[in-house]
Amino acid sequence: GESVGLHLPTLSVQEGDNSIINCAYSNSASDYFIWYKQESGKGPQFIIDIRSNMDKRQGQRVTVLLNKTVKHLSLQIAATQPGDSAVYFCAETIQGAQKLVFGQGTRLTINP
Amino acid sequence: DTEVTQTPKHLVMGMTNKKSLKCEQHMGHRAMYWYKQKAKKPPELMFVYSYEKLSINESVPSRFSPECPNSSLLNLHLHALQPEDSALYLCASSHETVSGANVLTFGAGSRLTVL
Repeated sequence: GESVGLHLPTLSVQEGDNSIINCAYSNSASDYFIWYKQESGKGPQFIIDIRSNMDKRQGQRVTVLLNKTVKHLSLQIAATQPGDSAVYFCAETIQGAQKLVFGQGTRLTINP
Repeated sequence: DTEVTQTPKHLVMGMTNKKSLKCEQHMGHRAMYWYKQKAKKPPELMFVYSYEKLSINESVPSRFSPECPNSSLLNLHLHALQPEDSALYLCASSHETVSGANVLTFGAGSRLTVL
């Protein structure tokens, strides 16, 4: 299942499927982007980041894509597992600045 | 130690009470943050301390008073709060990577209920 953006706050996928979470960021001056995962009862946890001079970055089972032309960021999670169930936030900032601004978030639910 | 520790985990207070939230990190990070998170909403920045000095105050009401006693500790003093201040208060600390990016490490939060 593919998210259609922040207007869809929840995303349900079958265990083992790939998921894509989208984010539209607001500040064209932002040059550093981060995805955080927040599980119930916990604080946000860093997943992966990307600088504006890149359009793709891969981690373990996760890939972040950046399209600066349309100010769009996505997080792809491969072979989702029950432990991936959480709310995912994108965040933007300017390198060297201390203000990190979070997007609205998407709740990802993994169905067995 | 790669954690940010927040106490208490839960706090219930009346509108006339004075209480404090505490945050501690031993990662050597020189920037510390307070964020407020309402249910089903993203965290919103309140304050940033850099090298123990207040560097950002996002127009937070004076009933919230931050304090940074040293580089490892961050407090948030609460006085005369309103029920709408009930939220999860998140502390974070950060270091700057060689690329110039700030990577924030968050604590688990203090869930505050104002009656």
